[in-house]
Amino acid sequence: AQKVTQAQTEISVVEKEDVTLDCVYETRDTTYYLFWYKQPPSGELVFLIRRNSFDEQNEISGRYSWNFQKSTSSFNFTITASQVVDSAVYFCALSEFSGNQFYFGTGTSLTVIP
Amino acid sequence: DSGVTQTPKHLITATGQRVTLRCSPRSGDLSVYWYQQSLDQGLQFLIQYYNGEERAKGNILERFSAQQFPDLHSELNLSSLELGDSALYFCASSVDGTTWREQYFGPGTRLTVT
Repeated sequence: AQKVTQAQTEISVVEKEDVTLDCVYETRDTTYYLFWYKQPPSGELVFLIRRNSFDEQNEISGRYSWNFQKSTSSFNFTITASQVVDSAVYFCALSEFSGNQFYFGTGTSLTVIP
Repeated sequence: DSGVTQTPKHLITATGQRVTLRCSPRSGDLSVYWYQQSLDQGLQFLIQYYNGEERAKGNILERFSAQQFPDLHSELNLSSLELGDSALYFCASSVDGTTWREQYFGPGTRLTVT
């Protein structure tokens, strides 16, 4: 079974629209960490955020915000007023405290159309 | 720029051959991770080294091996190469041995097996 599911394979939005990327995870651990990474066309993965399982407070960083809901095992990522530079593949990932593995989702390819 | 370097950037080789990919972590980071990214398998965790010792193993084939040297750089050796090994290989580093730290990724090595 997939530990991290990103059901949206590809999303296209017009510049300045808001977009939410979904991430659903699966774990039996009570302590775990969730991550989002961005992979722009240049190819290098860029770390965006890390949350631990005890911190359900939503986070905002500029145009980026993250909504963590343990009740639905989701860690969604919203980009407000999208820009062309946001075009990239976005990966959600999970690390469990009990294990020593890092699980990536399959990624969501976001295209922002000018 | 993440501070993680990988060489070479591109590698083209024939089936049955052996290649070595090299990674230097960010200054101060003790852990190195290797990942394989292909179209059909997505981003797969291969192996982690921490301060010279193997810490965690993912979906690494027996034909593949890795090591981390005293200066903390790491090498991933791929042998008896098959067409299916063509992929982007990423190295990442983090400050300690735990997989719940954020990881910083290098630019990747694109391997093409012909």
